[in-house]
Amino acid sequence: KAGVTQTPRYLIKTRGQQVTLSCSPISGHRSVSWYQQTPGQGLQFLFEYFSETQRNKGNFPGRFSGRQFSNSRSEMNVSTLELGDSALYLCASSSGLAGASTDTQYFGPGTRLTVL
Amino acid sequence: GDSVTQMEGPVTLSEEAFLTINCTYTATGYPSLFWYVQYPGEGLQLLLKATKADDKGSNKGFEATYRKETTSFHLEKGSVQVSDSAVYFCALRQGYGGATNKLIFGTGTLLAVQP
Repeated sequence: KAGVTQTPRYLIKTRGQQVTLSCSPISGHRSVSWYQQTPGQGLQFLFEYFSETQRNKGNFPGRFSGRQFSNSRSEMNVSTLELGDSALYLCASSSGLAGASTDTQYFGPGTRLTVL
Repeated sequence: GDSVTQMEGPVTLSEEAFLTINCTYTATGYPSLFWYVQYPGEGLQLLLKATKADDKGSNKGFEATYRKETTSFHLEKGSVQVSDSAVYFCALRQGYGGATNKLIFGTGTLLAVQP
């Protein structure tokens, strides 16, 4: 079974630009979560989508947004990039079944975003 | 709010030494607990998990026991190898309601194993 894939793997942008990152979950998984990883703040939850609906959202400004498509693929968008947005963005997928306390999240390799 | 606290790294050990990485948590209810490992330049891999008190998760020689009385989930391995060098993250996921997959992570502990 193929794992979680993220594209692109590396991105370089300049301040003020916007960026879109893509995540393809494991086949059959309906939940996709996004995390930001930085040396200073560690791993922080951005948002989670299940069946095309945002199910939970972390404490990030409105410049960070996401969506999920009917095939469970997800994209996240960051507008008006700031230097502090430089990070590794990780996507995780799971079955997302409500009440499944054993539901495991599988992570992709991440997209390394550098903002100059 | 919910949180996870891990011991500061780096942890430097010689091959075949015993490993313990401490993890404690603060959470309401009965969270599920996880250990993830991150190798250089890669994403996170699930190492082991436990979903209720007194459960023991184990994988690849690593073990951790869910201790509700001490709110801890310490990672142990009896004999580390150079290939175990990585960053280890403790995390929790709230189990009530099942309406979220949000993971709360500790800060990570870098393990360096020397031959």
